[in-house]
Amino acid sequence: DTGVSQNPRHKITKRGQNVTFRCDPISEHNRLYWYRQTLGQGPEFLTYFQNEAQLEKSRLLSDRFSAERPKGSFSTLEIQRTEQGDSAMYLCASSLGDRSAGNGYTFGSGTRLTVV
Amino acid sequence: GQNIDQPTEMTATEGAIVQINCTYQTSGFNGLFWYQQHAGEAPTFLSYNVLDGLEEKGRFSSFLSRSKGYSYLLLKELQMKDSASYLCAVRTLKAAGNKLTFGGGTRVLVKP
Repeated sequence: DTGVSQNPRHKITKRGQNVTFRCDPISEHNRLYWYRQTLGQGPEFLTYFQNEAQLEKSRLLSDRFSAERPKGSFSTLEIQRTEQGDSAMYLCASSLGDRSAGNGYTFGSGTRLTVV
Repeated sequence: GQNIDQPTEMTATEGAIVQINCTYQTSGFNGLFWYQQHAGEAPTFLSYNVLDGLEEKGRFSSFLSRSKGYSYLLLKELQMKDSASYLCAVRTLKAAGNKLTFGGGTRVLVKP
């Protein structure tokens, strides 16, 4: 298993353009999370999937953001009409197990988005 | 909501010990995690505490006091490669799935 894979690693886009990121979790992990991290800050929760169901969305996730996990495997995060404030590292993580387990997340390497 | 506080930055000398504190305020506490994150890389899991006490893993130890809403990560025999950010994260019973809420991270700089 190669861990959690995110593509692309870096994305530079012009303000107003749409961007889409992909995350491939560890194959047996049924839970998938998206976080956003800006420089010098901790990751902020965006959304969570259990299998293909999106069970929670943060208020940070405006109408311009949408995430899918169509077959319960890989996930995509799309940002429409990007703004400079969207510039950040977008982290994907996956996990397996119930809430009583000491299972931490496994994070991907992230996609760094720069909006110019 | 949850409030998770940790110092922004710490500096220590190679071979020394550093203690990174984390305080949190939450209801329905269900575990505290520590992650290490090198610049430009993904966070990697270090430790997990759900009961009071000390968990030791080689050079790294993590302590939890649930009544005080307090944890620390202890790094012993510091090496240059330990220069990184250390993230404290809390899970609650109310959180969907295993959702973690992270603090702002503590950047540790190890000097020769």
